[in-house]
Amino acid sequence: QQPVQSPQAVILREGEDAVINCSSSKALYSVHWYRQKHGEAPVFLMILLKGGEQKGHDKISASFNEKKQQSSLYLTASQLSYSGTYFCGTEYGNEKLTFGTGTRLTIIP
Amino acid sequence: IAGITQAPTSQILAAGRRMTLRCTQDMRHNAMYWYRQDLGLGLRLIHYSNTAGTTGKGEVPDGYSVSRANTDDFPLTLASAVPSQTSVYFCASSATGAHGYTFGSGTRLTVV
Repeated sequence: QQPVQSPQAVILREGEDAVINCSSSKALYSVHWYRQKHGEAPVFLMILLKGGEQKGHDKISASFNEKKQQSSLYLTASQLSYSGTYFCGTEYGNEKLTFGTGTRLTIIP
Repeated sequence: IAGITQAPTSQILAAGRRMTLRCTQDMRHNAMYWYRQDLGLGLRLIHYSNTAGTTGKGEVPDGYSVSRANTDDFPLTLASAVPSQTSVYFCASSATGAHGYTFGSGTRLTVV
């Protein structure tokens, strides 16, 4: 079952913050976040496993709600290098990773 | 440099022809995957392998086959290519347990 990502696209000025959401209709085993730049492969950012978990590095962090049905990716004080398409990937039990349709993030100077 | 190597980088293929996309990893990951990426549809799983000698079907397996003779290699074969198989194909791998996926650089395939 494909997770629902929102928004589909967002344009920010450098230094602004963004939130990308990923929702499922049922409880998840895990949520992955990836970033893909144009013409390149997706790159793994982080994985969340536990309800209520929050983790991050530098100015990119993510949370997983208590019911394990929604995750949010937070990009703080965005930099030009943050531009790209962000995908969440979700796992249910023994099923393999299913990706959302992506959120295209454009950072302008 | 550890990672995944895919070949070819791009290919134009006549409909009806057979084609094998190659994928090799040097990270000793047990699990490997093939995804196709189409505009507006995200990444969709074609086939996967949890370990050498085993394979499974993903969301869109029709028209594709895979094999996993050893840990490192996971080729994807299109037996008789059709235009709807025009896509960018990514191979990925992951270690056992809850780990992120490492993706190859992709193969852009155009079937005409």
